[in-house]
Amino acid sequence: EPEVTQTPSHQVTQMGQEVILRCVPISNHLYFYWYRQILGQKVEFLVSFYNNEISEKSEIFDDQFSVERPDGSNFTLKIRSTKLEDSAMYFCASSGTGINEQFFGPGTRLTVL
Amino acid sequence: ELKVEQNPLFLSMQEGKNYTIYCNYSTTSDRLYWYRQDPGKSLESLFVLLSNGAVKQEGRLMASLDTKARLSTLHITAAVHDLSATYFCAVDLQIQGAQKLVFGQGTRLTINP
Repeated sequence: EPEVTQTPSHQVTQMGQEVILRCVPISNHLYFYWYRQILGQKVEFLVSFYNNEISEKSEIFDDQFSVERPDGSNFTLKIRSTKLEDSAMYFCASSGTGINEQFFGPGTRLTVL
Repeated sequence: ELKVEQNPLFLSMQEGKNYTIYCNYSTTSDRLYWYRQDPGKSLESLFVLLSNGAVKQEGRLMASLDTKARLSTLHITAAVHDLSATYFCAVDLQIQGAQKLVFGQGTRLTINP
């Protein structure tokens, strides 16, 4: 069964460093998303991406964040200068259409020291 | 701004008992999802509710949606230990064709033998 994959599963970085989180969405899906979940809290929407551009972004998704689909399979989230409060689990999701169910990847746990 | 509120946030129950988790939301939407999350894991899709009056059942779980009341319920029948997890409802807020899931806070369910 097709699934969303994410790498790495855990990333530890120093405050101020850049990180890139990678996702491979389900192959025939067209809509891609990033969410984050701070430990013990709810899941929060960050950004949606369609047709090589951002469709919607939240207040959390400030200038430190960017997304890219560098090739036909990967979808990346970059944080330019990490802060302690960026520590969270980051989930990638994809859907076939804009109204279909979203399928979530296993997540990347980001720890900023 | 769409608000999604679940209650209870914590639920400890005995095996064999029945209980209901409630999900209220603050704006019009006719698409709602229920997810299960085990500790440290990703979000597993349980139910997709796409219209008013929708009812879906899988094993001991049953979900329903009342879009007029802006309320969804997740009912657990004769609970078993394996159902211990955190359950999230998520409301689909479509903005100009871009899908955005707004999650509730989650209900941490513990089922005791």
